[in-house]
Amino acid sequence: GQQLNQSPQSMFIQEGEDVSMNCTSSSIFNTWLWYKQDPGEGPVLLIALYKAGELTSNGRLTAQFGITRKDSFLNISASIPSDVGIYFCAGRRRPPPSQGNLIFGKGTKLSVKP
Amino acid sequence: GAGVSQSPSNKVTEKGKDVELRCDPISGHTALYWYRQSLGQGLEFLIYFQGNSAPDKSGLPSDRFSAERTGGSVSTLTIQRTQQEDSAVYLCASSHFEQDSYEQYFGPGTRLTVT
Repeated sequence: GQQLNQSPQSMFIQEGEDVSMNCTSSSIFNTWLWYKQDPGEGPVLLIALYKAGELTSNGRLTAQFGITRKDSFLNISASIPSDVGIYFCAGRRRPPPSQGNLIFGKGTKLSVKP
Repeated sequence: GAGVSQSPSNKVTEKGKDVELRCDPISGHTALYWYRQSLGQGLEFLIYFQGNSAPDKSGLPSDRFSAERTGGSVSTLTIQRTQQEDSAVYLCASSHFEQDSYEQYFGPGTRLTVT
């Protein structure tokens, strides 16, 4: 099925570094969501964005809804070891009040630098 | 309150057998979704239920897959005559439509292995 283009596919972090990842689409989205998934668990919602241009923070995490409504990015500042995991972006194409399924990127895997 | 729960957490079945996967959404959430996640991949939408409306089945990969939601709460995903390519983690999510929030909250998933 349709998927978002998420990059990078994987990256290594060293404690204290800032991390950036993004998602792009050829289609317009009305909602962008960012999730984190740890091994053996379901994705956990980190940040939800509902308006073009919106910039939202959750602790050390900051995400933005692109002005064109076709992209979003997630930044993690001053990374710590527990930030490792897989981060997924997800978009919803239908505006409220219509419910609809989310379309997911393939994920960005964060690992600790050896 | 309690989050989304799914059972079983792991299921190993022989090719050709039928399986049932269960999801208990967050209490009060009116929307329920099923996704499939293959190894190293993102999540693939399967089906969603919203209140008493007809479910959106557009993501079901074949007629071997079906789902129902009884009483607007618990949902069961059934896969008939399982094939090896059905092996994946099946994730359920729910959301609270009336709060004008479309954030989906996921359960831990059921890992299905077809041998």
